[in-house]
Amino acid sequence: DARVTQTPRHKVTEMGQEVTMRCQPILGHNTVFWYRQTMMQGLELLAYFRNRAPLDDSGMPKDRFSAEMPDATLATLKIQPSEPRDSAVYFCASGLVIASNTGELFFGEGSRLTVL
Amino acid sequence: TQLLEQSPQFLSIQEGENLTVYCNSSSVFSSLQWYRQEPGEGPVLLVTVVTGGEVKKLKRLTFQFGDARKDSSLHITAAQPGDTGLYLCAGAQAGKSTFGDGTTLTVKP
Repeated sequence: DARVTQTPRHKVTEMGQEVTMRCQPILGHNTVFWYRQTMMQGLELLAYFRNRAPLDDSGMPKDRFSAEMPDATLATLKIQPSEPRDSAVYFCASGLVIASNTGELFFGEGSRLTVL
Repeated sequence: TQLLEQSPQFLSIQEGENLTVYCNSSSVFSSLQWYRQEPGEGPVLLVTVVTGGEVKKLKRLTFQFGDARKDSSLHITAAQPGDTGLYLCAGAQAGKSTFGDGTTLTVKP
């Protein structure tokens, strides 16, 4: 049963600490998205990759956030240093995009981050 | 800037009632998707609409894509408590999906 796997599921940390979230997309999917979900802002697109190449990270605060895809089975989202306003649920989703046509996005269960 | 606006934001109804959720934008999308999210989980796809004016039915759910491909609606007939959840629309453009704020639906038995 193919699914997107995210770790950790929950993370509580103190302001200023580094946080790394990991995502294993579904094998065969060529596009990986990172979203952040809060009550106030809803589901915001932070960054996405196609065939491991970063396409758009304009939704991400560049000074503290970084997203990478070191290989086809791993995408990472790093926050350094973390701040209380970064508290949210971070979702990874993968999908198959062909000729700019977006198919179904499969979401992981999310990483709930709390920054104290 | 949120490109997709959903209304209403919250909806609480009794079992058996009908409801409609709207998703509006000033942008044209190549396709529009509706997702449903339950607490503690990620969104799950319900339907994708591609053609302007397209109507798709999924049991008691009816989805419509506007003629200009800028807006969409989700109609639920005879809602059941199992329909409770967060309903999200997502517009796709150039391989990127942008989500609306969501409509939180509560169906009371």
